[in-house]
Amino acid sequence: GAVVSQHPSWVICKSGTSVKIECRSLDFQATTMFWYRQFPKQSLMLMATSNEGSKATYEQGVEKDKFLINHASLTLSTLTVTSAHPEDSSFYICSARVPSQGAPYEQYFGPGTRLTVT
Amino acid sequence: GQNIDQPTEMTATEGAIVQINCTYQTSGFNGLFWYQQHAGEAPTFLSYNVLDGLEEKGRFSSFLSRSKGYSYLLLKELQMKDSASYLCAVSDSNYQLIWGAGTKLIIKP
Repeated sequence: GAVVSQHPSWVICKSGTSVKIECRSLDFQATTMFWYRQFPKQSLMLMATSNEGSKATYEQGVEKDKFLINHASLTLSTLTVTSAHPEDSSFYICSARVPSQGAPYEQYFGPGTRLTVT
Repeated sequence: GQNIDQPTEMTATEGAIVQINCTYQTSGFNGLFWYQQHAGEAPTFLSYNVLDGLEEKGRFSSFLSRSKGYSYLLLKELQMKDSASYLCAVSDSNYQLIWGAGTKLIIKP
């Protein structure tokens, strides 16, 4: 159990366009999901915490108007990168907490989405 | 501030044992996690420690000393597939995961 999927797994887009990344919990309900970004050879950087039915909580330095997060249901959270720039090229990973499974507050990760902006 | 330190890179030989250390300074402590991340993939859970001591799980063991703010991940009988980055993460007082930069482990035949 506790499977998290992401779509797409990779995407190439042109500068100035928007890209939507979906994160789904396949066999459980996720009230809280997390969005991370990881640049090459660096650790995970938490971008925002997404709560079902409410506004996301963004980390300092993350532009909420650029990285739109919607957590409209208990199984789906989306991240939209608006007006993408080449510096937004990165590996975006979502995760979810499943309080009833695994270690307390363990996070289950999706497979990640590699975004390349040309 | 909150800080997690772990070595950037380590090299070991197939069949050997390697210990990856992690020291932390965080606002509160609700457990320490070790994750494995292969290049281009998402992290996968390895272990969780919240009490002092050693947790053993097959070839992998994880140790925690809360008084010293210290943990290590011990990998035995190393296999080539163990080549990956190993991430140490601490759950702080708000149950937020604070991540280390990761240790890239290179296994040589």
